[in-house]
Amino acid sequence: GEDVEQSLFLSVREGDSSVINCTYTDSSSTYLYWYKQEPGAGLQLLTYIFSNMDMKQDQRLTVLLNKKDKHLSLRIADTQTGDSAIYFCADRNTGGFKTIFGAGTRLFVKA
Amino acid sequence: ETGVTQSPTHLIKTRGQQVTLRCSSQSGHNTVSWYQQALGQGPQFIFQYYREEENGRGNFPPRFSGLQFPNYSSELNVNALELDDSALYLCASSTLEGNYGYTFGSGTRLTVV
Repeated sequence: GEDVEQSLFLSVREGDSSVINCTYTDSSSTYLYWYKQEPGAGLQLLTYIFSNMDMKQDQRLTVLLNKKDKHLSLRIADTQTGDSAIYFCADRNTGGFKTIFGAGTRLFVKA
Repeated sequence: ETGVTQSPTHLIKTRGQQVTLRCSSQSGHNTVSWYQQALGQGPQFIFQYYREEENGRGNFPPRFSGLQFPNYSSELNVNALELDDSALYLCASSTLEGNYGYTFGSGTRLTVV
């Protein structure tokens, strides 16, 4: 079945880069997303990438997609304490009616 | 542009009771999806509504039902509440294709005692 897996925890120092990794199983995934969730809040869409791309950059965020290995990563440059949150990887296929989410990676940024 | 609004923000119910959660979608979005997020987990898809009809459903029993109204707002109803229904319920609006991602509300925290 469809599944999205992420490591559960990442700790970095303020100013360093963070890299959050994700693997997915659905070979027909067409759209892949990164969402951020802060305590007590809903999910906020950070960025997305289509399966015909292998990289997307948006300010401090860089998304890399390895479609062959079904691997997605999110790099946050110059990580700040305000980046501390849970980051969810998600995928969706063409014509699909649902988006599948991973369990989330909790990013802790040390000052 | 208004975002997604959910009400209430918190709710405590007793096992066996029924609950209704409400959601208004973002302007320009015609599709509403509901997700259940248990503590420490990712959101799990419950169902999606488009044009006032259920357009897809996840692995949830029939006691989870919904409605969508002509203004695209939506309700999630849960009958015969169980303790395991305690979770954060998230409403997400999008276009039907949903390719550019969801706009989520802040959620309703439901506690069943």
